[in-house]
Amino acid sequence: GDSVTQMEGPVTLSEEAFLTINCTYTATGYPSLFWYVQYPGEGLQLLLKATKADDKGSNKGFEATYRKETTSFHLEKGSVQVSDSAVYFCASAGAGGTSYGKLTFGQGTILTVHP
Amino acid sequence: GAGVSQSPSNKVTEKGKDVELRCDPISGHTALYWYRQSLGQGLEFLIYFQGNSAPDKSGLPSDRFSAERTGGSVSTLTIQRTQQEDSAVYLCASSFNAGGLETQYFGPGTRLLVL
Repeated sequence: GDSVTQMEGPVTLSEEAFLTINCTYTATGYPSLFWYVQYPGEGLQLLLKATKADDKGSNKGFEATYRKETTSFHLEKGSVQVSDSAVYFCASAGAGGTSYGKLTFGQGTILTVHP
Repeated sequence: GAGVSQSPSNKVTEKGKDVELRCDPISGHTALYWYRQSLGQGLEFLIYFQGNSAPDKSGLPSDRFSAERTGGSVSTLTIQRTQQEDSAVYLCASSFNAGGLETQYFGPGTRLLVL
C-alpha cells in the first residue's frame, strides 16, 4: 500500500534559520501530495499541495516541489519565525484504486523555533 | 464560512461502553472522511463517504467500529464495547468531491479516553 516517510524529529531552530523537512512517498500511480500543519491546540490545516510532477506548492513562505524521480516532497522555508512552531505532516492521496482520495500521512515532525 | 465541526470535543467513557461521535461537514461537500490520531499509530484513515455511500471502509480497525452518513451531510462514527486501545483523537474531514485532487478540510477532532 501507499506510505509516506518523514524525517525524524523534533527539529529545533533559531528564528530566521533555514528549514528543510524531508518527505518521501511510495504509491501506485501518481498521487497528489500535501503538507498539513497542526499549530498548538488547533486542528489540522492545509499548508500547501501539489497534484502533479514538478508542481511547486507554496504558502506563507513555505515551498515544496513534487519530485517524481526521487519520489520526494520536501518542505522548505528560507527564514522561520517563532509562530511557525507546530507539527508538520506530509501526506499523499491516491488518484485511483484502493487509495482513491484517502490521505496517507507521515509520522509528523515537531518544529520548535526559538527567538 | 463555517468549517467542519465535531462533537463532543472530549469524551471520557468506561471500557465496554458504546460511544457515538458526530461530524458536520462543510455545507456542499459531498465527501467525508474519518481519521484517527493516536500516539502509537500516528494519523490513520478509517472510512470515507461519497454522499451517503461508503466505498472504502478498509481502515476500520474491527467490527466494533461502524459509521453512517445521512442526507449527504452529518456523519456518526460509533464504537461499540470500547477498549482502552480505542483512546485517540478522532478527526473528521470533508472535501467538495472525493478524489486525490481535492483538498480535505479537517474538524477540531473528538478526544476519546477509555478508562
